[in-house]
Amino acid sequence: QKEVEQDPGPLSVPEGAIVSLNCTYSNSAFQYFMWYRQYSRKGPELLMYTYSSGNKEDGRFTAQVDKSSKYISLFIRDSQPSDSATYLCAMRYTGGGNKLTFGTGTQLKVEL
Amino acid sequence: DAGVIQSPRHEVTEMGQEVTLRCKPISGHDYLFWYRQTMMRGLELLIYFNNNVPIDDSGMPEDRFSAKMPNASFSTLKIQPSEPRDSAVYFCASSGGAGGISHEQFFGPGTRLTVL
Repeated sequence: QKEVEQDPGPLSVPEGAIVSLNCTYSNSAFQYFMWYRQYSRKGPELLMYTYSSGNKEDGRFTAQVDKSSKYISLFIRDSQPSDSATYLCAMRYTGGGNKLTFGTGTQLKVEL
Repeated sequence: DAGVIQSPRHEVTEMGQEVTLRCKPISGHDYLFWYRQTMMRGLELLIYFNNNVPIDDSGMPEDRFSAKMPNASFSTLKIQPSEPRDSAVYFCASSGGAGGISHEQFFGPGTRLTVL
């Protein structure tokens, strides 16, 4: 079993929809949680990060962490075609250097 | 800064040949990571360096893979001999440096490797 599980999709939604992307993890040592966005044929880029349970907002994006359930989510409001990409969750241990463990990514397509 | 630079961008080779992938990290970053990405397995960490020293190579699939970082501005990932199952996109990423977010890794554009 992988340390981080993520539904690969693909997920297709109409423009303006609310999107929910999720990851589960098995190791309670993970303390820092990130979402990376990867456009086709590009490298991933950091979208959001958080280190505590609860919600963190940044514009149309909300990251949610539930450490008790080992579950993290990324919500995208008013989704746009430019949001079409693969979204990867990533996690880090405290004291683990800068090493990240990534989910496999969820491919999202927002259609006009 | 130009970001992380990788070369070549595309590589097509025949089984059994040696392949060398190159990476120049962002100046001032003290961590360098090599990843492999496939549809089936996602993004896998192969090896990472801190201050040019290999810290964790547990992700290197087998002895055919080797990586070096002779100085702070250059790293190589070598596959010898290559096999068709090595076909993937290989990413280099760097992070760290003063004032940086430790968990923000900056990725290069990747090298798309095809082994025939």
